[in-house]
Amino acid sequence: EDQVTQSPEALRLQEGESSSLNCSYTVSGLRGLFWYRQDPGKGPEFLFTLYSAGEEKEKERLKATLTKKESFLHITAPKPEDSATYLCAVQAGTDKLIFGTGTRLQVFP
Amino acid sequence: GAVVSQHPSWVICKSGTSVKIECRSLDFQATTMFWYRQFPKQSLMLMATSNEGSKATYEQGVEKDKFLINHASLTLSTLTVTSAHPEDSSFYICSAAGLADFQETQYFGPGTRLLVL
Repeated sequence: EDQVTQSPEALRLQEGESSSLNCSYTVSGLRGLFWYRQDPGKGPEFLFTLYSAGEEKEKERLKATLTKKESFLHITAPKPEDSATYLCAVQAGTDKLIFGTGTRLQVFP
Repeated sequence: GAVVSQHPSWVICKSGTSVKIECRSLDFQATTMFWYRQFPKQSLMLMATSNEGSKATYEQGVEKDKFLINHASLTLSTLTVTSAHPEDSSFYICSAAGLADFQETQYFGPGTRLLVL
C-alpha cells in the first residue's frame, strides 16, 4: 500500500535557525513527489515537484531533495513568515496525490 | 499563473439544504479536477477525481449521491452537497491539474468552509 509519513509533526524554530523536514514514502512506481505550503484556513500552495533520486530544487530559503526512500525540505535561516504547515505528497500509478499529515512549522522572532 | 478560485469561500446552511461549491481554473485549462475535504489539524482527504465531460470517480467511502460533482468545462467543476447535515461541516478544497515547467501539477483553490447547523 502506498504510504507517506512526515516528521516531525511540529517544529518550533528561532528566526535564523536552519532545519530540515522529512518525508518518507513507500510507493510502487513513483511518478512525482510534491511539496506544498498551507497557511491556516487556506488551500495548499505549490512549492516543488521532484521526479528522480538525486534531484534538488530551490526557492528562496527552501531547498527540496529526493532519494529513493525520502525527501527533505531544508529551510535555511527561516523567518517568521515561513511559519505554516508543509505538506508532502506523492503521485504513483494514477493522477491522485497521496498526502502525508504535514509538519507544522513555527518560527519565532 | 496557475490560479484556482473557489466560490463561496464560506457558507452556513440549515440541515437538509443543498450547497453548491464552484471551482474555477482562471488562467489555464484543466482536464482533471480533484475535490478534497480537510478536518481541523488533519491532512487532505481526496473525495473524487473529476474529468471534463465524464462522470467523476469517487474514493471508497464517499457517497456519490450525496456529493454530486459536475465538470462541465475545462475551467469549471462544481461540488454539490445534497441534504447537508452537521457531520458534513468541513473545509472543502478543489485542485486543478495544470502544467508547471511542462510537467503536470495540482494547483489548489483557497478552500470553502461549510458549516451546517
